[in-house]
Amino acid sequence: SYVLTQPPSVSVAPGQTARITCGGDNIGSKSVHWYQQKPGQAPVLVVYDDSDRPSGIPERFSGSNSGNTATLTISRVEAEDEADYFCQVWDSSSDHPGIFGGGTKLTVL
Amino acid sequence: EVQLVESGGGLVQPGGSLRLSCAASGFTFSRNAMHWVRQAPGKGLEYVSAISSNGGSTYYANSMKGRFTISRDNSKNTLYLQMGSLRAEDTAVYYCATSMVGPTRTAFDIWGQGTMVTVSS
Repeated sequence: SYVLTQPPSVSVAPGQTARITCGGDNIGSKSVHWYQQKPGQAPVLVVYDDSDRPSGIPERFSGSNSGNTATLTISRVEAEDEADYFCQVWDSSSDHPGIFGGGTKLTVL
Repeated sequence: EVQLVESGGGLVQPGGSLRLSCAASGFTFSRNAMHWVRQAPGKGLEYVSAISSNGGSTYYANSMKGRFTISRDNSKNTLYLQMGSLRAEDTAVYYCATSMVGPTRTAFDIWGQGTMVTVSS
């Protein structure tokens, strides 16, 4: 089945840019979605279809997807951005289409 | 307000069964595919199951096939997950989710608060 690979952790200082990657075989051909999850809370969608933002998500959150890597970019990182981030695709060719990456813990130094 | 509210979680013995429910409000439930996602304590998100808007198509993660059954009652705006032959590794918070965004409707922008299932003797 299709596998999504994320780094376990990323650290960044406030005001800097954080980049979280999500690797997968030819992931550029798929639509990638990103979720933010804070402790004890349900996940929140921050980017969908590679680079679109849901209503209410700050413009600081952006996404890109090409080749074998999708990237979530958080500009001007704030303390409140500290959370776990998960990528997700829907592999419609599979009988197990819902796939999540393992998650990345973003630490704001 | 668009809302999903899960219920039915609790403590169950290994080999036992449990039925989770997810009550939807604030949107036309019968038009949306619905999904279950779970998260074991301290672990990442794991996709569990999906059902099409009319209930005609279902999907399951491999480890749940044959043990879990997803269903829905569009007259009651409610999604269900019948879980059987439960194992310790099924211990998790179970979320229901759906999508209101994008042309593919595969990004989950609406989530419930989750219901905890603990499988233990």
